[in-house]
Amino acid sequence: NAGVTQTPKFRILKIGQSMTLQCAQDMNHNYMYWYRQDPGMGLKLIYYSVGAGITDKGEVPNGYNVSRSTTEDFPLRLELAAPSQTSVYFCASRQTGLAKNIQYFGAGTRLSVL
Amino acid sequence: DAKTTQPNSMESNEEEPVHLPCNHSTISGTDYIHWYRQLPSQGPEYVIHGLTSNVNNRMASLAIAEDRKSSTLILHRATLRDAAVYYCILRDGNSGNTPLVFGKGTRLSVIA
Repeated sequence: NAGVTQTPKFRILKIGQSMTLQCAQDMNHNYMYWYRQDPGMGLKLIYYSVGAGITDKGEVPNGYNVSRSTTEDFPLRLELAAPSQTSVYFCASRQTGLAKNIQYFGAGTRLSVL
Repeated sequence: DAKTTQPNSMESNEEEPVHLPCNHSTISGTDYIHWYRQLPSQGPEYVIHGLTSNVNNRMASLAIAEDRKSSTLILHRATLRDAAVYYCILRDGNSGNTPLVFGKGTRLSVIA
C-alpha cells in the first residue's frame, strides 16, 4: 500500500539552481495536486491536474511548472530556485467522484534554498 | 469555497474527550464539511466528512449543527498520538475538481 510517494524527502538548493520534485501514486487516481506549506501556515495550492495531459494553476504557481504525462506521476519543476521557495512541498491525489472526495497526501519534500 | 473559522490552539488531557469547533456561517446547501489532520512532520490525512447528519468512523465523530453554520469534531479519548493540527474545510459537492483549501487549523496539544 504505497499510496502517494514523494522524492526526495529533503533537498538543499543554491539560488538559481533547478530541480524536480517527484510524486507518484499507485491508486489510479485522476486528480493530483501540489501544495506548499510555509512554517506555521496552512497549505497553499501550487498546481493541480484532473488527468493525464491536463494541468491548471492554483493559488501560488509562479516559479513552478508541472507536467502530467501519465496517470501515476505528477512532477513539480523549479527552474530558478529562490529563497522564497524554501518550504515543505506536499503532493496529493484523489479519486474521481464526489461521494468520497478524500485527498491522500504524500509525506512531503522539505526544500531549503540558500 | 466558503470560509471556516477555528481556534488557533486547544489543549486536552490524555484519555479525555476533545471537542474541536468550527464555524462556517456562510456555508451553502451543497457544501460538505471535511476534517483533515496533520501530525508533526507528516502530510495531512483525512479524518471525516459529512453534509447534514452526524457522522462516526473509527477515528472520530462529526457533529453538525442543525442550521449547518457550525460543526464539531469529537475525539472520544485523546491520546498523545492525536496531537496535531486539525483543519476544517468546506467543499462544494457540485464542484468536480476544485481542490481543498486549507486554513491555519487548530493546533491540538495533548497532555499526558
